[in-house]
Amino acid sequence: DTGVSQDPRHKITKRGQNVTFRCDPISEHNRLYWYRQTLGQGPEFLTYFQNEAQLEKSRLLSDRFSAERPKGSFSTLEIQRTEQGDSAMYLCASSLGEFNEQFFGPGTRLTVL
Amino acid sequence: GQQVMQIPQYQHVQEGEDFTTYCNSSTTLSNIQWYKQRPGGHPVFLIQLVKSGEVKKQKRLTFQFGEAKKNSSLHITATQTTDVGTYFCAARPYGGSQGNLIFGKGTKLSVKP
Repeated sequence: DTGVSQDPRHKITKRGQNVTFRCDPISEHNRLYWYRQTLGQGPEFLTYFQNEAQLEKSRLLSDRFSAERPKGSFSTLEIQRTEQGDSAMYLCASSLGEFNEQFFGPGTRLTVL
Repeated sequence: GQQVMQIPQYQHVQEGEDFTTYCNSSTTLSNIQWYKQRPGGHPVFLIQLVKSGEVKKQKRLTFQFGEAKKNSSLHITATQTTDVGTYFCAARPYGGSQGNLIFGKGTKLSVKP
């Protein structure tokens, strides 16, 4: 399967712990996006990369959140000192270029106890 | 911040009935995309509309972009049980961020056989 993959698919953690998620985009895609989705809502934009450069961060992305895409391929999203409000589905998407369709991964469901 | 309003939030139809969801923005849009998310799944791209007044068809699905590029609609003719899911519009405001797609809250469609 050459689609977008995310790991892990599920993560349960205790409040205050750090978590890291990984996203592997479609190989030739230069753009990679992170979204957060809660029940009954649409995906909310968090940040995006063009190649290895992080070009935009939403104000939803507090200083506890950090994302990297070191070699312009896979990306990681880290949440430090998790809070219960961080519980959500974290979706990664990739695209070839700015205006093309985004291909979403299956998401990582985070539960903070 | 910029918001995209999508109505209705829920729609229950009998199989064979038609279905329409509407997406409205207070500002002019550069383009709009539509995605479908099946229960337990991730968003899957359906279509992108770019031109004022554009109409595109995919089998039983008809997508429209308003003349003022501030609204869009998705119409499904003769719904089938396979149409079940949540339909999201995702808008890119004119002159806005190149990476930031703004998703509506979605319309959840259920189809009774």
